[in-house]
Amino acid sequence: KAGVTQTPRYLIKTRGQQVTLSCSPISGHRSVSWYQQTPGQGLQFLFEYFSETQRNKGNFPGRFSGRQFSNSRSEMNVSTLELGDSALYLCASSLDGARGLETQYFGPGTRLLVL
Amino acid sequence: DAKTTQPPSMDCAEGRAANLPCNHSTISGNEYVYWYRQIHSQGPQYIIHGLKNNETNEMASLIITEDRKSSTLILPHATLRDTAVYYCIVRGSNYKLTFGKGTLLTVNP
Repeated sequence: KAGVTQTPRYLIKTRGQQVTLSCSPISGHRSVSWYQQTPGQGLQFLFEYFSETQRNKGNFPGRFSGRQFSNSRSEMNVSTLELGDSALYLCASSLDGARGLETQYFGPGTRLLVL
Repeated sequence: DAKTTQPPSMDCAEGRAANLPCNHSTISGNEYVYWYRQIHSQGPQYIIHGLKNNETNEMASLIITEDRKSSTLILPHATLRDTAVYYCIVRGSNYKLTFGKGTLLTVNP
C-alpha cells in the first residue's frame, strides 16, 4: 500500500506570495493532519481534517488554511507569505480519526523556502 | 496531553541494543505512549505505541512501567540507519500529536 504523498517536495517563494501544498493520504485513510516543523519551534500542529471538515486547529494565524476533498486528499494554503513561514510542512493521515486515537502516518514533507 | 521528558542525546554502538528512556509522570489513564523517529529532513516514522502492556513489533519493543510514569523504547540491534531523533509522545483522544525535542540517537560503527 502506498504511503502518504506530498507535492511538491520543494518550493521557493517570495514574501507576500501565497502557496498551496497538497497531500494524498494512505488509501482508506479519512483523517489528514498538517504540521509545521522549524528549527526554532520544532514540530507544531496546524489543523486536522476529517470527512471534509476541519475538526481541530492549532495556534496559527488565519493566513494558514486548508481543505479536504471527498477523496480525502487535502491541501493547505498559506497566504501573504512571511520569511518565518520557511519550514518543512508535514502531512499525516490516519485510518478513521473518529476516536482521535488512530496512528498517524507521515508523508515526506514539503520544504518551503520564503525569500 | 501529558508532558514528556527525554534526554537530548544518546550514543549506541552498532549491533548493540539501544534503550531510549522517556518520563511521563503526569500521564492519564486513557493516554497512550507513542514513539516516532525522524531521520534528518524526512517525515516522522511511526515506531510503536502502547497503553499499559509491553509491546513488540518488527522495529522495536516498548516497555512501560507498572505505574505508567515512564517507558523505554528498545531497538534490539541498532544499525547506522537507526541514527535519528526519537520522539516519545503521550497522546489522548484529541487528534493531534504534541512533539517535544526528542532524543538524538547516534549509532556509531
